[in-house]
Amino acid sequence: QVQLVQSGAEVKKPGASVKVSCKAYGYTFSDYYIHWVRQAPGQGLEWMGWINPKNGDTNYAQKFQGRVIMTRDTAISTPYLELNRLRSDDTAIYYCARVAFYSDSSGPFDYWGQGTLVTVSS
Amino acid sequence: EIVLTQSPGTLSLSPGERATLSCRASQSVSSSYLAWYQQKPGQAPRLLLYGASSRATGIPRRFSGSGSRTDFTLTISRLEPEDFAVYYCQQSGTSPTFGQGTKLEIK
Repeated sequence: QVQLVQSGAEVKKPGASVKVSCKAYGYTFSDYYIHWVRQAPGQGLEWMGWINPKNGDTNYAQKFQGRVIMTRDTAISTPYLELNRLRSDDTAIYYCARVAFYSDSSGPFDYWGQGTLVTVSS
Repeated sequence: EIVLTQSPGTLSLSPGERATLSCRASQSVSSSYLAWYQQKPGQAPRLLLYGASSRATGIPRRFSGSGSRTDFTLTISRLEPEDFAVYYCQQSGTSPTFGQGTKLEIK
């Protein structure tokens, strides 16, 4: 069955970088776009961007332009989120999510990873 | 950026009652790109509805959606104990955005 399994919790200092992985199981990895969404403690959902696993094309939310890098390793069906120059307000749970529609960047997210807590603290 | 505003912020109801949640967009949204999610504490969001009114796989019939352009509604016909959670609407177009959420709590 389809699963997205994310890497474990991270604790980082302000100014550092973090890289979160999201291994995909149970479907053809290159066929479905992956989005990244974060959720600060007690807050709502914030979209960060997407990656096309087939060719590596990306689209980032303007808020994160210049600080975020989304990549993927097709050999191991794993997309990655890297966030640089971390600040305390980057403390959040980071989710990967798959678009439900084949080869479409737009659409609802039908499968989500379990989330990765990133804590930024000095 | 399309801003989605959900109301009410908190809805207090009893099991068996009907719940009506609203999502208003700052500009017109294609119904094809309006989705609703349920999130319980400590869990990732779960897709309930997409295309404004289509139920995702495995979602019970008591969940329904309606609306168009800037006004959308999620209705839960008869609340079950497991329905008490936070609900988010999402426009899933080119640059997706989410509403701030409605917390459905037990009265």
